[in-house]
Amino acid sequence: AQSVSQHNHHVILSEAASLELGCNYSYGGTVNLFWYVQYPGQHLQLLLKYFSGDPLVKGIKGFEAEFIKSKFSFNLRKPSVQWSDTAEYFCASRGGGKLIFGQGTELSVKP
Amino acid sequence: DGGITQSPKYLFRKEGQNVTLSCEQNLNHDAMYWYRQDPGQGLRLIYYSQIVNDFQKGDIAEGYSVSREKKESFPLTVTSAQKNPTAFYLCASSLQDLGNQPQHFGDGTRLSIL
Repeated sequence: AQSVSQHNHHVILSEAASLELGCNYSYGGTVNLFWYVQYPGQHLQLLLKYFSGDPLVKGIKGFEAEFIKSKFSFNLRKPSVQWSDTAEYFCASRGGGKLIFGQGTELSVKP
Repeated sequence: DGGITQSPKYLFRKEGQNVTLSCEQNLNHDAMYWYRQDPGQGLRLIYYSQIVNDFQKGDIAEGYSVSREKKESFPLTVTSAQKNPTAFYLCASSLQDLGNQPQHFGDGTRLSIL
């Protein structure tokens, strides 16, 4: 069965620090990959998505993610985080079946 | 503005009681989904519907039921058979149930047992 694994459950950073959140998926075929963000008290929003083409995808608010097929990874990055990036981040993949979500990573950014 | 409306925001259930969570979308999307979110477990799919008058079980359908009589509405009933219903429930929709279609989410309903 497909699965998505996010390595960190809770990450704490200071403002201006760089961010990388790990995500690994298990599906071996063609896969669509997503990162969603859930800000406190708000609904899940799409940050970015990868379907095909350039493996480095850019999303909203300065986030980017790199698809590395050989590593089954789709890590999320941001060079300099802000306090407003405090949220829960979910990686998701969809291969031959339904959309599968990772466990989520809670990011806390200290001002 | 187009979007997904879930109601109520908070819901309390007594033991042995069925409760229904509402989900309405005005995005003209064909596909709709119900997820359950528990701390540390991400989102798990309960039911989904690719088109009106049709729906399929997700990974954790036991103790839940749905209907899809109208395109814009996909209510979820949490029955008394669901032994651990306390959770945050999220409704989502997408234009179609295809891999490259991102899903749009509602604000969620938090269900608690009295």
